[in-house]
Amino acid sequence: DQQVKQNSPSLSVQEGRISILNCDYTNSMFDYFLWYKKYPAEGPTFLISISSIKDKNEDGRFTVFLNKSAKHLSLHIVPSQPGDSAVYFCAATPNSGTYKYIFGTGTRLKVLA
Amino acid sequence: DSGVTQTPKHLITATGQRVTLRCSPRSGDLSVYWYQQSLDQGLQFLIQYYNGEERAKGNILERFSAQQFPDLHSELNLSSLELGDSALYFCASSVGGLARDTQYFGPGTRLTVL
Repeated sequence: DQQVKQNSPSLSVQEGRISILNCDYTNSMFDYFLWYKKYPAEGPTFLISISSIKDKNEDGRFTVFLNKSAKHLSLHIVPSQPGDSAVYFCAATPNSGTYKYIFGTGTRLKVLA
Repeated sequence: DSGVTQTPKHLITATGQRVTLRCSPRSGDLSVYWYQQSLDQGLQFLIQYYNGEERAKGNILERFSAQQFPDLHSELNLSSLELGDSALYFCASSVGGLARDTQYFGPGTRLTVL
């Protein structure tokens, strides 16, 4: 059972435009969420996180939005740059008990110059 | 560079064999995590160690085992290998062992079982 879902395997966006990557989760016990970026032949790199007590967290060009009632989060990248082309994974974890991350299957973002 | 190192980068072996993957965490990090990424799959959590002790277990097969040594490096042992064990294996580390301690990932070991 996939508790964290990224339903879009790929996304293409023009340079300078907004990229929106989506993630849905099913477990209501999740209360901390993260986005990781992964380039080929490298490990995932932490991008941004959000706690369930917030509905938005911003870091430079990256903003994560959380809609708890819909069990949905999204990552906005504005403006998108060619260097943002990578696979983006969302992850979730409950803030108690075991501290493992549950990852989605990833969305491959391609930013076209 | 995350500061997490993994060796080897690539490993090719045959079914039925046993291999050991090694991970050195970032300096100062006490927790080590192991993940498996099969083709077109997300990262599947296998196991976590904190300061030498097993902290959490995920979908780790009985044929797999891990340990964390006093110098905090960790090894993942995979035995009786099957074709389906071919995957990328990532190690991550964090300062503590809490959910909000950011995990930093190594570059991974690509295991191919023929």
